[in-house]
Amino acid sequence: AQKITQTQPGMFVQEKEAVTLDCTYDTSDPSYGLFWYKQPSSGEMIFLIYQGSYDQQNATEGRYSLNFQKARKSANLVISASQLGDSAMYFCAMREGRTSGSRLTFGEGTQLTVNP
Amino acid sequence: DGGITQSPKYLFRKEGQNVTLSCEQNLNHDAMYWYRQDPGQGLRLIYYSQIVNDFQKGDIAEGYSVSREKKESFPLTVTSAQKNPTAFYLCASSTRGGRGTDTQYFGPGTRLTVL
Repeated sequence: AQKITQTQPGMFVQEKEAVTLDCTYDTSDPSYGLFWYKQPSSGEMIFLIYQGSYDQQNATEGRYSLNFQKARKSANLVISASQLGDSAMYFCAMREGRTSGSRLTFGEGTQLTVNP
Repeated sequence: DGGITQSPKYLFRKEGQNVTLSCEQNLNHDAMYWYRQDPGQGLRLIYYSQIVNDFQKGDIAEGYSVSREKKESFPLTVTSAQKNPTAFYLCASSTRGGRGTDTQYFGPGTRLTVL
């Protein structure tokens, strides 16, 4: 079974509007972390936001927020006030437990296009 | 500035040749990682190392080898045994695993093409 599922291969949003990118995960480990990365066309992976499984509040970083619903095993990324520079591939990733170190499992990504 | 460098940015190789991709970091991170990305897909873990002189296989280690002789460096060799080596290779580093966010920070990547 897929550990990280991103069901939206592509998303479109108008500039200045908000957009939600979906991510569901599958783990039986009570201790895990969820990450979102942005990959522009240049290829570099840029860290956006982190949510720990024991965090009580949803993570926020500037225009990025993470809608963490633990019971549903979802960790959706919300980008507010979209900008043209937000057009990129977005990846959700999970780190499980403590024994495996920091190794991450990535989803297949969502291509976001921001229209002017 | 602290960061991760990968060289070269583009690499061309003939079939049957081994090639080594460089990854250097000055973030004082203990852990380093190599990922492979094929077009339109996510990243898959090749090898990772949590400490000098120690490394573990990831999900797709066959046809690859690594070394970790220095904390700052984690070179990846793509051997002739790797059947489909054409891909984008990303190196990352993080603080040592298991505590806190352990956020992985990535280098700019190396695009390998086998001719």
